Amino acid sequence: GNSVTQMEGPVTLSEEAFLTINCTYTATGYPSLFWYVQYPGEGLQLLLKATKADDKGSNKGFEATYRKETTSFHLEKGSVQVSDSAVYFCALRDPMNYGGSQGNLIFGKGTKLSVKP
Amino acid sequence: EAQVTQNPRYLITVTGKKLTVTCSQNMNHEYMSWYRQDPGLGLRQIYYSMNVEVTDKGDVPEGYKVSRKEKRNFPLILESPSPNQTSLYFCASSFAGTNNEQFFGPGTRLTVL
Repeated sequence: GNSVTQMEGPVTLSEEAFLTINCTYTATGYPSLFWYVQYPGEGLQLLLKATKADDKGSNKGFEATYRKETTSFHLEKGSVQVSDSAVYFCALRDPMNYGGSQGNLIFGKGTKLSVKP
Repeated sequence: EAQVTQNPRYLITVTGKKLTVTCSQNMNHEYMSWYRQDPGLGLRQIYYSMNVEVTDKGDVPEGYKVSRKEKRNFPLILESPSPNQTSLYFCASSFAGTNNEQFFGPGTRLTVL
């Protein structure tokens, strides 16, 4: 079945450091890929998405490129800030008509990022 | 404001006492879903609904019920809660289709004693 694997945390960085959070997926079709962020005490919100191979999603200085050949969607940011401290979830959305579960999001387990001043 | 609302936000209850967590969205979304979030396990889907009167099990449906009588509402029902249902619950909604983002509610923290 479809699945998402992302790097274990927690990740602790100093302010202005470079961030990479690895995410790989398994899917039988052509899913859309998402990064969601969860700030402390809040629900999840979409950070960025990519819907087809070689698409690059970007938002708030974060970027991720949909790599079909390596089945990856790694999250990167050139210079993190303290305000980026949060839990980051990689997710894919089932291709339509697969197994009757149209549109279900499948999440990785999340990576907690702490940025120190 | 477009949003998903959940109530209550926090609930402490005792084993066996039936409870309902409400979820409502004002975006006319067809798709709605419930997840639970547990440490080390990420988010796991409980139930989802493709549209009114259409619901189906997710990965961890045992001990839960849902209904979708109206498009905007998708309540989660625990008929006889047990301590292993202590968790953080999220409702989400979206338009149908794989490209569409899901919008999440703020979460309900449930403790079953």
